[in-house]
Amino acid sequence: QLQLQESGPGPVKPSETLSLTCTVSGGSISSSSYYWDWIRQPPGKGLEWIGSLYYPGRTNYNPSLKSRVTISVDMSKNQFSLKLTSVTAADTAVYYCAREKHLERSWFDSWGQGTLVTVSS
Amino acid sequence: QSVLTQPPSASGTPGQRVTISCSGSSSNIGSNYVYWYQQFPGTAPKVLIYRNNQRPSGVPDRFSGSKSGTSASLAISGLRSDDEADYYCATWDDNLSAVVFGGGTKLTVL
Repeated sequence: QLQLQESGPGPVKPSETLSLTCTVSGGSISSSSYYWDWIRQPPGKGLEWIGSLYYPGRTNYNPSLKSRVTISVDMSKNQFSLKLTSVTAADTAVYYCAREKHLERSWFDSWGQGTLVTVSS
Repeated sequence: QSVLTQPPSASGTPGQRVTISCSGSSSNIGSNYVYWYQQFPGTAPKVLIYRNNQRPSGVPDRFSGSKSGTSASLAISGLRSDDEADYYCATWDDNLSAVVFGGGTKLTVL
């Protein structure tokens, strides 16, 4: 059974870089059947798609975040990662990693539990 | 401001039928499948409807989806107290080359 687990270093200060990793178990990131995505949800607000990665390295990003986002993969660890630069308080959110079906954009069939990232000085 | 427009709230009494709308445009709902997600507080969303009107195994047939033109709807019949949750529509936007979500609808069972 597929499992996704987000991990990260904890609170981030304004203007710094937010870094998160999603560890995938029970399935391979190299599968041609899926994209691997990051989605976030500010406290009390709705879902916002951040971007996706299709192995080995094709990425799509939310246009509103594109200048600050990088999603990358580490196949040796079956992980994919998110980097968001120049963060502000508006980037405080629960960050989810998720699996999205290839050729079925927006069908997220498996999610991590989410991790709250707080941006604060 | 979300690309897809949902009512912020909906409500009904047990046993009633409620519908939640999702309005978009020709570049998103008008040309792509719509998906619906259910989210309980403190948990990750779960897909409820895929490809406009299909239910994954395990989702009760009380939940149904439809799409017409640039709008979609989620209907819940036989409303139950444990249907209280947030509901989101999602689709791909061809112009943005991005996944877009609705702002979410909080369903209250009175």
